[in-house]
Amino acid sequence: DAGVIQSPRHEVTEMGQEVTLRCKPISGHDYLFWYRQTMMRGLELLIYFNNNVPIDDSGMPEDRFSAKMPNASFSTLKIQPSEPRDSAVYFCASSLGYIGGQGTEAFFGQGTRLTVV
Amino acid sequence: LAKTTQPISMDSYEGQEVNITCSHNNIATNDYITWYQQFPSQGPRFIIQGYKTKVTNEVASLFIPADRKSSTLSLPRVSLSDTAVYYCLVGDGLTGGGNKLTFGTGTQLKVEL
Repeated sequence: DAGVIQSPRHEVTEMGQEVTLRCKPISGHDYLFWYRQTMMRGLELLIYFNNNVPIDDSGMPEDRFSAKMPNASFSTLKIQPSEPRDSAVYFCASSLGYIGGQGTEAFFGQGTRLTVV
Repeated sequence: LAKTTQPISMDSYEGQEVNITCSHNNIATNDYITWYQQFPSQGPRFIIQGYKTKVTNEVASLFIPADRKSSTLSLPRVSLSDTAVYYCLVGDGLTGGGNKLTFGTGTQLKVEL
């Protein structure tokens, strides 16, 4: 398997524009996570899905952020409208089962570096 | 989720053994201790996981004392390529709000020649 695939790797956009980040999880994994990483706040969990259903979106910063998982092999994170403070690296991860517990690990993608100017 | 405390940074030289200790005084009975590694411009990567005593794999060893209130990640004979941020996480994936993996600040390990 090619691992978790994210696109684009880099995105530069102007404030106010809509940004869509994409993720393809590892085939067969039933959990998908979206994280954001900044120098100030570190790695933050934004939202996670189980079997394509959003389970916990308490980490989504505000209504400008939305995430969808229309099928088991694809997820998007959308920011509309984007703001300079949204600049960060966004990671998608997937896992087979509960992570943190015995024998399960999360596999992370390479991330999307978003710059909003 | 149990809170973890680990050093912000550590420096070492190639060929040395590096031990990174993580404190987790409030660890629960069902919690596992998991370590992830993150290289610059990459996502975190699972290194090792344990519940008690010692666990060893091809990358590292994890030492967990009987009271499980701390754990030590041991990297034998580090090289420049081991320069990364190392995160200690504690949980069972179920308590504290569901299937979450919460990362702390991590330990920035810098290996020099």
